[in-house]
Amino acid sequence: AQSVTQPDIHITVSEGASLELRCNYSYGATPYLFWYVQSPGQGLQLLLKYFSGDTLVQGIKGFEAEFKRSQSSFNLRKPSVHWSDAAEYFCAGLYSGAGSYQLTFGKGTKLSVIP
Amino acid sequence: DADVTQTPRNRITKTGKRIMLECSQTKGHDRMYWYRQDPGLGLRLIYYSFDVKDINKGEISDGYSVSRQAQAKFSLSLESAIPNQTALYFCATSDGGAGANVLTFGAGSRLTVL
Repeated sequence: AQSVTQPDIHITVSEGASLELRCNYSYGATPYLFWYVQSPGQGLQLLLKYFSGDTLVQGIKGFEAEFKRSQSSFNLRKPSVHWSDAAEYFCAGLYSGAGSYQLTFGKGTKLSVIP
Repeated sequence: DADVTQTPRNRITKTGKRIMLECSQTKGHDRMYWYRQDPGLGLRLIYYSFDVKDINKGEISDGYSVSRQAQAKFSLSLESAIPNQTALYFCATSDGGAGANVLTFGAGSRLTVL
């Protein structure tokens, strides 16, 4: 079955430090992969997506993610975290097979930023 | 105005009551979705609709029903609410073209069932 795993429930970093949020997927074929961010009291906003091609994708707010097929990973990175990045981050995968629609979300990683 | 509007934003109700959560969108998207978010569980798909005449069950459809009244409107109903349906509910939309897999979310409807 398709699944997306975010191993870290909660991460705390200092403002200005680098950030990496982990995401692993389990699919029969390469899925479409996404990172969404949810600020407190808000809906989810798309940060970036990977469909095919260049394995390093750039997103909004200075985020990037790298698709690594050999590791079944799609980790999210930011070189220098800002206090406004404190939020919950969700990785999601969509299996591009026939039939039903299956966009699967990970359980989320909550990011806290220390000033 | 928001692209995807959910009403009500917050609702407290009692066990056994019928509840409807409404979603409207100005994106012009064909596809609409209802998700449920629980702490530590991420988002789970309840129902989705790819056009007005198309309704599909998601991962956790039991206890829920939906109605796609128009391209822009997609409502979620709990016929007889129970406490374990207490959650944050999100409506989302996407188009049917190249952006079919990119969701635009509403701000959420927080439902508490006592």
